[in-house]
Amino acid sequence: AQTVTQSQPEMSVQEAETVTLSCTYDTSESNYYLFWYKQPPSRQMILVIRQEAYKQQNATENRFSVNFQKAAKSFSLKISDSQLGDTAMYFCAFMRRGGSEKLVFGKGTKLTVNP
Amino acid sequence: DAGVIQSPRHEVTEMGQEVTLRCKPISGHNSLFWYRQTMMRGLELLIYFNNNVPIDDSGMPEDRFSAKMPNASFSTLKIQPSEPRDSAVYFCASRQRDWDYEQYFGPGTRLTVT
Repeated sequence: AQTVTQSQPEMSVQEAETVTLSCTYDTSESNYYLFWYKQPPSRQMILVIRQEAYKQQNATENRFSVNFQKAAKSFSLKISDSQLGDTAMYFCAFMRRGGSEKLVFGKGTKLTVNP
Repeated sequence: DAGVIQSPRHEVTEMGQEVTLRCKPISGHNSLFWYRQTMMRGLELLIYFNNNVPIDDSGMPEDRFSAKMPNASFSTLKIQPSEPRDSAVYFCASRQRDWDYEQYFGPGTRLTVT
């Protein structure tokens, strides 16, 4: 079974600064996807960024980028130029390709951006 | 295009009552997922369907829970009888599995069982 671990229950950052959220996962699969979801107080789950395991290049989406280390099974999220609207819970998630294609989530990191 | 639609958004019920949560996936999507979010267990899959057929129901807690997908545009999650420990946020998500691996989430239903 796959597991996803987020070791930082809470983090805070000053507006305009950079913050990195950590995620590690455990799997015996070789073909899978990794995601970061954002959940603001509205509770809507919003996809922030995604990474295909077969791609060596790290994904980027505007101010959001990942550091994907496949051998270490690590998938961290970097948020640059943090904004107040980035305040939310952030969930790392794993999905295998083929078989059960459910998302397996970490417990989340609560990020607060301070003015 | 409308996103995933869930109803009701909030439900308060008494222990022992039947609860039915509803989901309309995004038109054209052929996979549908039901997740539950609690403080203790986080986000976990209950069941998912491909082309209206249940594929993985290993997360369904017990016989009190049942899910159906009678057609491509509608799914229900039923709890009978409900218990206080069922209090949670229930999310529905859908996906077009033939060409996209992203799951699109609905706004969730907050269920409170007293």
